[in-house]
Amino acid sequence: EAQVTQNPRYLITVTGKKLTVTCSQNMNHEYMSWYRQDPGLGLRQIYYSMNVEVTDKGDVPEGYKVSRKEKRNFPLILESPSPNQTSLYFCASYSGNTIYFGEGSWLTVV
Amino acid sequence: SQQGEEDPQALSIQEGENATMNCSYKTSINNLQWYRQNSGRGLVHLILIRSNEREKHSGRLRVTLDTSKKSSSLLITASRAADTASYFCAPLRSYNTDKLIFGTGTRLQVFP
Repeated sequence: EAQVTQNPRYLITVTGKKLTVTCSQNMNHEYMSWYRQDPGLGLRQIYYSMNVEVTDKGDVPEGYKVSRKEKRNFPLILESPSPNQTSLYFCASYSGNTIYFGEGSWLTVV
Repeated sequence: SQQGEEDPQALSIQEGENATMNCSYKTSINNLQWYRQNSGRGLVHLILIRSNEREKHSGRLRVTLDTSKKSSSLLITASRAADTASYFCAPLRSYNTDKLIFGTGTRLQVFP
């Protein structure tokens, strides 16, 4: 079954404590992307990757890092989380046909 | 990059009525897709229409595409309370695309 898996699904953390949200897809897709979703703002793209070792900034990259060392994984790293990064995060992968989304990760930074 | 803008932002109807939402975009595309998002969940693919197609049906869904106007519409017929969700369009240019950007979606509320 085609899947994009994110972990953790829910996390409450404190300001400044580094965290990583993992994303894995089982479809051998080259394109992967991270979004954050905030009320009234829709989905905003944070970073995307068109292939292994190829990443680029989306519209709201500040405060985030990503890496793409292998095709299936695309982790999102918050080196020093701040309360304005409290949001719902989605990972997605794209086949050239359909975009597959993970179930989302609710992140709260206090 | 390519982005779709959905309209209206919000739509409230009674069960049994039809719901129509629109999408406009700016670049040439290979296909356009519609996605649905239940509150707090991931987006789920609904239907894809290719640039050489004008209309497509899937169950109670009907999608039209007008490439000359760079617009698409999604019609949900005989709506149900379970159709309550946000709907997003994704105009896609090619496999080797760059930014995949979404609009703010249309929030559909179907009252029983």
